[in-house]
Amino acid sequence: DSGVTQTPKHLITATGQRVTLRCSPRSGDLSVYWYQQSLDQGLQFLIQYYNGEERAKGNILERFSAQQFPDLHSELNLSSLELGDSALYFCASSVAAASSYNEQFFGPGTRLTVL
Amino acid sequence: AQRVTQPEKLLSVFKGAPVELKCNYSYSGSPELFWYVQYSRQRLQLLLRHISRESIKGFTADLNKGETSFHLKKPFAQEEDSAMYYCALTNNAGNMLTFGGGTRLMVKP
Repeated sequence: DSGVTQTPKHLITATGQRVTLRCSPRSGDLSVYWYQQSLDQGLQFLIQYYNGEERAKGNILERFSAQQFPDLHSELNLSSLELGDSALYFCASSVAAASSYNEQFFGPGTRLTVL
Repeated sequence: AQRVTQPEKLLSVFKGAPVELKCNYSYSGSPELFWYVQYSRQRLQLLLRHISRESIKGFTADLNKGETSFHLKKPFAQEEDSAMYYCALTNNAGNMLTFGGGTRLMVKP
């Protein structure tokens, strides 16, 4: 599959725990974006990385962090989890992070359930 | 701050009927607007962007700056159009998408 891949598909954990979500961008894409989709907040942009560097930040909590590695895959780390963090987390990738829009291609998402 | 509003959570029409999915936005700048679609068990994917002025799968959307709207239209709905539709706006840097709440379109036979 040459598209965006995300692992795991589902994750169930308890409050207070820490999890790591993984994303591999499309081949050739340098930018990775993370979005959170929850019932009450809808689809919200969290953070963008471009070629290993943080490029833009949205509504990302301080308990959350991300990084992009030299092989361009990205990880989203969620710590001190709360019930309200239960959501679908999407990763997207694009070719670049230029001054104009580059189409973002979305992964299938990771569904996180915090009990 | 940029904001996208889709007033209808659900829109149900019969096959062959016209469809209009509403989208309103607020943005202090020159917006770039998009429609994304998510079919059942598939990924979110770009349907169309206002700057390209294309018609994709029979859908069109016109940016109305006066009314700050970007409604998605199709003259004759098909059952395969049933999906979740999201209107989105990007910032000047082109790297942050702000999504509306989405509208679920159901096309009945």
